[in-house]
Amino acid sequence: AQKITQTQPGMFVQEKEAVTLDCTYDTSDPSYGLFWYKQPSSGEMIFLIYQGSYDEQNATEGRYSLNFQKARKSTNLVISASQLGDSAMYFCAMREGRGGGGSQGNLIFGKGTKLSVKP
Amino acid sequence: EPEVTQTPSHQVTQMGQEVILRCVPISNHLYFYWYRQILGQKVEFLVSFYNNEISEKSEIFDDQFSVERPDGSNFTLKIRSTKLEDSAMYFCASSGPGQGRETQYFGPGTRLLVL
Repeated sequence: AQKITQTQPGMFVQEKEAVTLDCTYDTSDPSYGLFWYKQPSSGEMIFLIYQGSYDEQNATEGRYSLNFQKARKSTNLVISASQLGDSAMYFCAMREGRGGGGSQGNLIFGKGTKLSVKP
Repeated sequence: EPEVTQTPSHQVTQMGQEVILRCVPISNHLYFYWYRQILGQKVEFLVSFYNNEISEKSEIFDDQFSVERPDGSNFTLKIRSTKLEDSAMYFCASSGPGQGRETQYFGPGTRLLVL
């Protein structure tokens, strides 16, 4: 079974509008972290936002915010006021618990959503 | 702002050759990772490294892979005998300590092409 599911292979949004990118996760670990990364066409992975499983408030970071619904195991990324530079692949990722030997735990990624912002 | 750097940005090699991919993690970070992304696919975990030893590794990280932190700044991934299917983007990442230690910051990647 997929640990991270991103059901939208591609999304379009008009410039200056808001867009929501969906992500659901599957874990039985009570302690986990959820991340979103942006990958522009140049290929680098840019960290956007983080939500811990025990965080009661939805995370926000500038124009990025998370709609974290723990009972539904979803953590949707909301981008407000879309800009042309937001066109990229967006990956949702999860860290389960903590690994052995002091590791912070590896990230499990979804397949990504390609966002295209239209002028 | 501190960042993870990787060299080279691109590498082309012949099947069976050894390659070494280099990374300089963020200077005060303690946890180091390698991931790979085959073209058009999702990012996959390879290995994590802490306190000069491997913490976790995936089933992808077989005997032909090795990691090393030869000095206080570099973190390397060696592929001993490359195969065609090793062609991918390889990302180094680092995290911790302190506030925000959960977050793994990625380098720009090394695009490896095995011919």
